[in-house]
Amino acid sequence: DVKVTQSSRYLVKRTGEKVFLECVQDMDHENMFWYRQDPGLGLRLIYFSYDVKMKEKGDIPEGYSVSREKKERFSLILESASTNQTSMYLCASRTARVAREETQYFGPGTRLLVL
Amino acid sequence: RKEVEQDPGPFNVPEGATVAFNCTYSNSASQSFFWYRQDCRKEPKLLMSVYSSGNEDGRFTAQLNRASQYISLLIRDSKLSDSATYLCVVNSAGKSTFGDGTTLTVKP
Repeated sequence: DVKVTQSSRYLVKRTGEKVFLECVQDMDHENMFWYRQDPGLGLRLIYFSYDVKMKEKGDIPEGYSVSREKKERFSLILESASTNQTSMYLCASRTARVAREETQYFGPGTRLLVL
Repeated sequence: RKEVEQDPGPFNVPEGATVAFNCTYSNSASQSFFWYRQDCRKEPKLLMSVYSSGNEDGRFTAQLNRASQYISLLIRDSKLSDSATYLCVVNSAGKSTFGDGTTLTVKP
């Protein structure tokens, strides 16, 4: 069974704080993703990584950065948290870049509240 | 216009009913298609892949119509436990685009 874990289920931070969200997968997947999910807006891709030390911007990268120093770990960083970054953050991993069965496996999510 | 569109619902159906969801996509070069299920306050989980020939998994049937650019999910004999949000996912060039989801509530 694929396991994707996220460092926190719930997090409360103050405006201006630097926030680190960690994601670890145990299936040697090359691809990893960070999404946020908000009511009425669905899942939106923030950043993704096809391999170690690689990163690419998704649809809404502003205010975020990422780090992929090891294959199993993909970190999302909010350099200076703002209230509009209050959201559910979901990490996902996938086994292949181009393949018929390229399904993503999600972590349990982190609910971040920025006050 | 969104790349992937779903009817948000909600669909409220009695137990035992048959319900169908559709999802349209705009990129004709899309390569693979999936349905995910998301329970309230949980992460999305893969329900089934969608193949051109159509595929079935128990009470669930998924179909793809490339000419009209839509995929569908049919649930027969609905159970209370089917209550969830169903997301369609369309992959093209390695990128996954998620629909906003269709909410289903199955009532006794």
